[in-house]
Amino acid sequence: QVHLVESGGGVVPPGTSLRLSCAVSGVNFGSHAMHWVRQAPGKGLEWVAVIAFDGRDDYYAESVRDRFTISRDNSENTLYLQMNSLRGEDTAIYYCARDRGSSWFDPWGQGTLVTVSA
Amino acid sequence: SSELTQDPAVSVALGQTVRITCQGDSLRNYFASWYQQKPGQAPTVVIYGRNNRPSGIPDRFSASSSEDTASLTITGAQAEDEADYYCNSRDISGHLYVFGTGTTVTVL
Repeated sequence: QVHLVESGGGVVPPGTSLRLSCAVSGVNFGSHAMHWVRQAPGKGLEWVAVIAFDGRDDYYAESVRDRFTISRDNSENTLYLQMNSLRGEDTAIYYCARDRGSSWFDPWGQGTLVTVSA
Repeated sequence: SSELTQDPAVSVALGQTVRITCQGDSLRNYFASWYQQKPGQAPTVVIYGRNNRPSGIPDRFSASSSEDTASLTITGAQAEDEADYYCNSRDISGHLYVFGTGTTVTVL
């Protein structure tokens, strides 16, 4: 069974950095593109970033471009999200999700909460 | 960037049928996938592609599309279907993704 577990969330002041991790098990991690999706408190889902199976291509939502970097370590079955210059509006639960090849997301992790506050 | 618009909320009587729509220009070129999210839980996919249900999703969930609008239909809604539903698709560029604004389904 495929299992995704996010970690690294916490409370940080504006302007600082944080790195999230997503540990993947139960699947050939290096065969799948991976996504980060976030959800602000009481709000809807927002797609954040995607990285190709081999890490060679990545794309970002306009709201995080030039501040966030998605990466992966296929030898460690782990996905990352480096978040710099954090703002209050980045406060959200961050989910990682596997791309199933036809641009649908399954499964999702349980999420990790990032709170940006002074 | 592309946008996907959904009605904020719909209600349905137990056992009746409800349709949720998702409108956006990118849907002329890409299929939508649909996600169910219950309070305090991560989203789960209920429909992907033209009209495909992952293993374990009841056949009362179905999807259709026409021009710039995708629809999710629940035929014979059950109490456990009460949740938020989001559509998702690639954007017009084909490289980015976008979620719909979300629809809260209440089963009366």
